[in-house]
Amino acid sequence: ETGVTQTPRHLVMGMTNKKSLKCEQHLGHNAMYWYKQSAKKPLELMFVYSLEERVENNSVPSRFSPECPNSSHLFLHLHTLQPEDSALYLCASSQDAGRNTIYFGEGSWLTVV
Amino acid sequence: QKEVEQDPGPLSVPEGAIVSLNCTYSNSAFQYFMWYRQYSRKGPELLMYTYSSGNKEDGRFTAQVDKSSKYISLFIRDSQPSDSATYLCAMSATGTASKLTFGTGTRLQVTL
Repeated sequence: ETGVTQTPRHLVMGMTNKKSLKCEQHLGHNAMYWYKQSAKKPLELMFVYSLEERVENNSVPSRFSPECPNSSHLFLHLHTLQPEDSALYLCASSQDAGRNTIYFGEGSWLTVV
Repeated sequence: QKEVEQDPGPLSVPEGAIVSLNCTYSNSAFQYFMWYRQYSRKGPELLMYTYSSGNKEDGRFTAQVDKSSKYISLFIRDSQPSDSATYLCAMSATGTASKLTFGTGTRLQVTL
């Protein structure tokens, strides 16, 4: 079992759909992150949660809505996305928000049609 | 100017070659430097972590930081086909992950 598990691994959704990405970490970490990875662009940090509290939101459009019910689980709710939102969405965790060694999941490939 | 520059490649080398992967940066405050390896359709995995200047070695991998030149390198000795992946550099001025700045990654192909 990997330390950070993401589901689904692949998702195709229409622009009017509502879907969610799920992340679970088995490392006992207190901080969790959502990143977006697009072709030929650096990783973009979207959200940071520390002990279930959102501590950072990097100007992400409201069509992306994160949820962190406990320190092991993180969701990204998706609603009325655009084709340019197609990307690899990576969940990550770290021991706490003050650490810079983060551990990534395998990612969820999202295609918006 | 991008804060972190990384040649996207692809870089193709024969098996057994020494590989040099590099990043340059503009923020002189950066002092934490990381290399991640990302296989196709997988998430990045932490490969090397260094603080400030100097070298760090781990098996076939050596990370080198030259803060005076704002330049970091990852060397891979005796490269193997299993090293074929995209290598991302990442760096920050503080010890917090939310302040990490990533490069775009260099795709490496090690051929038989």
